[in-house]
Amino acid sequence: TQLLEQSPQFLSIQEGENLTVYCNSSSVFSSLQWYRQEPGEGPVLLVTVVTGGEVKKLKRLTFQFGDARKDSSLHITAAQPGDTGLYLCAEANAGGTSYGKLTFGQGTILTVHP
Amino acid sequence: NAGVMQNPRHLVRRRGQEARLRCSPMKGHSHVYWYRQLPEEGLKFMVYLQKENIIDESGMPKERFSAEFPKEGPSILRIQQVVRGDSAAYFCASSPTGGYTEAFFGQGTRLTVV
Repeated sequence: TQLLEQSPQFLSIQEGENLTVYCNSSSVFSSLQWYRQEPGEGPVLLVTVVTGGEVKKLKRLTFQFGDARKDSSLHITAAQPGDTGLYLCAEANAGGTSYGKLTFGQGTILTVHP
Repeated sequence: NAGVMQNPRHLVRRRGQEARLRCSPMKGHSHVYWYRQLPEEGLKFMVYLQKENIIDESGMPKERFSAEFPKEGPSILRIQQVVRGDSAAYFCASSPTGGYTEAFFGQGTRLTVV
């Protein structure tokens, strides 16, 4: 089973700062998804990256997929308190399955202070 | 168009009792995934079901846990003779097809065993 390592585990910053969280694996990802989870809620999909070197933007969020498809990053510009939450990376089609089984990283808990 | 509905949102059971968690997928979705989130372990895949079929139960504990997705009605995750270690948040996700696609998560059921 592929292990996904996320870093940092915790991140506490002030409003307006920039930040980057990372997701790494020893194996090649078939595809990678980033989710955000707020307390008491289920994960919500932010983006899916499939192609090595791919960059996707979602407002102030920029997602990169490594050329070798073994790592990914999420960069947030000018963080806001509403960005507070648990950020999870996940591999879809985990274990070489042909269906949407997900393997999640441990997550990064982001707190943005006003 | 309602999202994935899980109930109850919170469930308290005494050790030895049974817990039944329900998941109604989004309209038109016939594929359901169950995940468990423990504070120290993160989100882990448990089981993947299609209507009337269990496709992948590789993440289910061997004893006391079972899941079903009948032709009519919600998917049910059943935990018999609950123990303190079963306390966790249980999430259901649904998708319209079994292939690589976005899965939508419910808000989860938080099970507390006392």
